[in-house]
Amino acid sequence: DAGITQSPRHKVTETGTPVTLRCHQTENHRYMYWYRQDPGHGLRLIHYSYGVKDTDKGEVSDGYSVSRSKTEDFLLTLESATSSQTSVYFCAISPGAVNTEAFFGQGTRLTVV
Amino acid sequence: AQTVTQSQPEMSVQEAETVTLSCTYDTSESDYYLFWYKQPPSRQMILVIRQEAYKQQNATENRFSVNFQKAAKSFSLKISDSQLGDAAMYFCAYRGPGGSNYKLTFGKGTLLTVNP
Repeated sequence: DAGITQSPRHKVTETGTPVTLRCHQTENHRYMYWYRQDPGHGLRLIHYSYGVKDTDKGEVSDGYSVSRSKTEDFLLTLESATSSQTSVYFCAISPGAVNTEAFFGQGTRLTVV
Repeated sequence: AQTVTQSQPEMSVQEAETVTLSCTYDTSESDYYLFWYKQPPSRQMILVIRQEAYKQQNATENRFSVNFQKAAKSFSLKISDSQLGDAAMYFCAYRGPGGSNYKLTFGKGTLLTVNP
């Protein structure tokens, strides 16, 4: 299994509270992704990174920010959590070489009450 | 922007039969990569099969094969001799050629039920 760890695995937080999810990898892969998964929507890309300090927005980036100050960590921050951000969040990593797939973390279930 | 469309929210198949899941995508790139992922109830994302756009030959992995039609931007997954363990959500995914254009975009998924 690819060395990718998401923390926390479960979190309940209150509306308006800042929340940070962490994705940590031990594979030294270049690319890292944050997705949210909701019923009927599949996996939607929030942000991704193609190198240290190089990030770009995905299709549902509003209300989220990311940071990648070192290769192994990719942080997703909800500045002020809302109930619409209740979801399962997945981190994925990819080496970026030809014909390589992305490897996924186990997901974080976030509930905003 | 790249989009991936899976037009079948749910499919069912009898055990030992064959089923085909559909996927279409939109891109202006000539080089890219396509994937099918499986997500069982455990929520783990598992790669089923991959296809490089520059390869005309359809990829095959045991009971799983694809029908890749580049001109039509179609990438369907065929599961032969379906097994109970194949029951899962299946996602089609597109990835760009590289650099900053390395977004990995998913369809909404197809929930496959396998009936004994």
